[in-house]
Amino acid sequence: AQKVTQAQTEISVVEKEDVTLDCVYETRDTTYYLFWYKQPPSGELVFLIRRNSFDEQNEISGRYSWNFQKSTSSFNFTITASQVVDSAVYFCALSEPFTGFQKLVFGTGTRLLVSP
Amino acid sequence: DTGVSQDPRHKITKRGQNVTFRCDPISEHNRLYWYRQTLGQGPEFLTYFQNEAQLEKSRLLSDRFSAERPKGSFSTLEIQRTEQGDSAMYLCASSFGEGATEAFFGQGTRLTVV
Repeated sequence: AQKVTQAQTEISVVEKEDVTLDCVYETRDTTYYLFWYKQPPSGELVFLIRRNSFDEQNEISGRYSWNFQKSTSSFNFTITASQVVDSAVYFCALSEPFTGFQKLVFGTGTRLLVSP
Repeated sequence: DTGVSQDPRHKITKRGQNVTFRCDPISEHNRLYWYRQTLGQGPEFLTYFQNEAQLEKSRLLSDRFSAERPKGSFSTLEIQRTEQGDSAMYLCASSFGEGATEAFFGQGTRLTVV
């Protein structure tokens, strides 16, 4: 069954600290996609990254980096030198081929609070 | 603004009333999705359209819920005989193309049933 687990409900850091948000997923398929979305207080979900199951290379985009490890079914997200504007709820999500990759299954999210 | 637009942003209704929400996707996006998000939870898939065809409906979408996308443009989500358990944020998203494409989300409609 599809499942995404984000065990960290809330993380508080001080600006400039590095922080890692954990994501563990379950799937029956060998082909799937993983996503991270950011939900600021305004409510809309903002796409951050999409990764397919065959690409295990880590990715870096500015202060953001993602570590995909199929062996542990994890897709963790690290923010380096956090800033107050990073405060938001972050969701990890999974999509699978039997839905044509059209249905996203989200985790419960991790609320990140960055204080000055 | 060329993003996904949802209307209204907030809706308070009495139990038993019908409500309708509207979503205007990004122009030329062929796919449109509805999700529901309750407090402290991640969004849950409700349904999606490819153009005007509704291709999948979640078990969460009871008989009181109906969604349409006439002419493959905007979409409406109607809830009949609202219940307190329907109180949630209703999110609309759209995407273009095939496969696992990036979905762009609107700001949502927050429904409160009193």
